[in-house]
Amino acid sequence: AQTIHQWPVAEIKAVGSPLSLGCTIKGKSSPNLYWYWQATGGTLQQLFYSITVGQVESVVQLNLSASRPKDDQFILSTEKLLLSHSGFYLCAWSLLAISNERLFFGHGTKLSVL
Amino acid sequence: AQSVDQPDAHVTLYEGASLELRCSYSYSAAPYLFWYVQYPGQSLQFLLKYITGDAVVKGTKGFEAEFRKSNSSFNLKKSPAHWSDSAKYFCALALNTGANTGKLTFGHGTILRVHP
Repeated sequence: AQTIHQWPVAEIKAVGSPLSLGCTIKGKSSPNLYWYWQATGGTLQQLFYSITVGQVESVVQLNLSASRPKDDQFILSTEKLLLSHSGFYLCAWSLLAISNERLFFGHGTKLSVL
Repeated sequence: AQSVDQPDAHVTLYEGASLELRCSYSYSAAPYLFWYVQYPGQSLQFLLKYITGDAVVKGTKGFEAEFRKSNSSFNLKKSPAHWSDSAKYFCALALNTGANTGKLTFGHGTILRVHP
């Protein structure tokens, strides 16, 4: 069975500090990977997607970057956090890279920027 | 641009009643529509989706949803409701463009509370 693991579970960071969030998918080779973000009180919106290793597409510009260094790993990062980065970050994967495919979500990381 | 509206931030009912969570969407073409659920302390889980064909789609946990093109709605239903259905429910839309981005446009969610 496939599993998705996100780390850390929660982070409290200072404005201007760096950030790195991670996501690992086990049990599925070459998954399609996604990062979603939910601002406090807001809805979920897609940030990045990756169809294959080394290739990441940005969907929304939020002064964040993403990388896929391994087939099963997806990293979200920034060198300088903003207050507006606070929220809930979800990693997800799908079997197929088609628009009507269901997504499987991780448990998420709660980020508080102070 | 496409959008999804879930007009009810909270819905409360008693166990045994019928539940219906509302969802409307705005999109110029035929959409793909989804419902996801987030139980307390858990991640989002897929419930069901509408791609094409029959207006009523059945999903997991006894849920079903009805697609109505006439009023651009995709309401989630279950009867009877159980206290374990208490959770946050998200309606989402994917564009029917063939593009393989995995992008879903989500509504803000409806928190359902079912009293025993």
